[in-house]
Amino acid sequence: EVQLVESGGGLVQPGGSLRLSCAASGFTFSNYWMSWVRQAPGKGLEWVANIKQDGGEKYYVDSVKGRFTISRDNAKNSLYLQMNSLRAEDTAVYYCARHYGLGSYPFDYWGQGTLVTVSS
Amino acid sequence: DIQMTQSPSSLSASVGDRVTITCRASQSISTYLNWYQQKPGKAPNLLIYSASLLQSGVPSRFSGSGSGTDFTLTISSLQPEDFATYYCQQSYSNFRTFGQGTKLEIK
Repeated sequence: EVQLVESGGGLVQPGGSLRLSCAASGFTFSNYWMSWVRQAPGKGLEWVANIKQDGGEKYYVDSVKGRFTISRDNAKNSLYLQMNSLRAEDTAVYYCARHYGLGSYPFDYWGQGTLVTVSS
Repeated sequence: DIQMTQSPSSLSASVGDRVTITCRASQSISTYLNWYQQKPGKAPNLLIYSASLLQSGVPSRFSGSGSGTDFTLTISSLQPEDFATYYCQQSYSNFRTFGQGTKLEIK
């Protein structure tokens, strides 16, 4: 069974840092692109970043470029999101998601999400 | 970046109704269009990918169509469990973008 389990969320002050993790199981992690998607309270979904199977390509939404870094450790079946210089508008539930390997490469599996709150 | 615009933003309907949600892309995305359903407090769930392909396990009352810039999600006969928020998403670009969502409510 495919499972994605996020961790690392919590309360952080503006300007602070946080590292999110996503533990993958039930599939060959190194074969799939992965993404982070967030959802601010009461708002819609926003794609944040994605990373290729070998980590050689990474893409970010403009609002987090230069502040967030996506990475992965295929030996540990884990995805990460290092978030620096956090702002109030980064407050959201953060989901990790797997890119399906066929067709239009949708996000076919999602974690349960981890809440990040940026507040003083 | 490719902008995705859904309409309507909200919709009231009754059990048994046929419902259609529209999604428009700011440029042609071929059939790189996906639809998700999200219920409160839960992660999104993939319904349709490649504009018209039904994800495994998704009921056949859900269908998708379109190509280029205009797409639709249709629910042929609403069931109580279908009241949720629906999002379209383009995967034509590595910079993935979602529509703003359509909240489907019970009339």
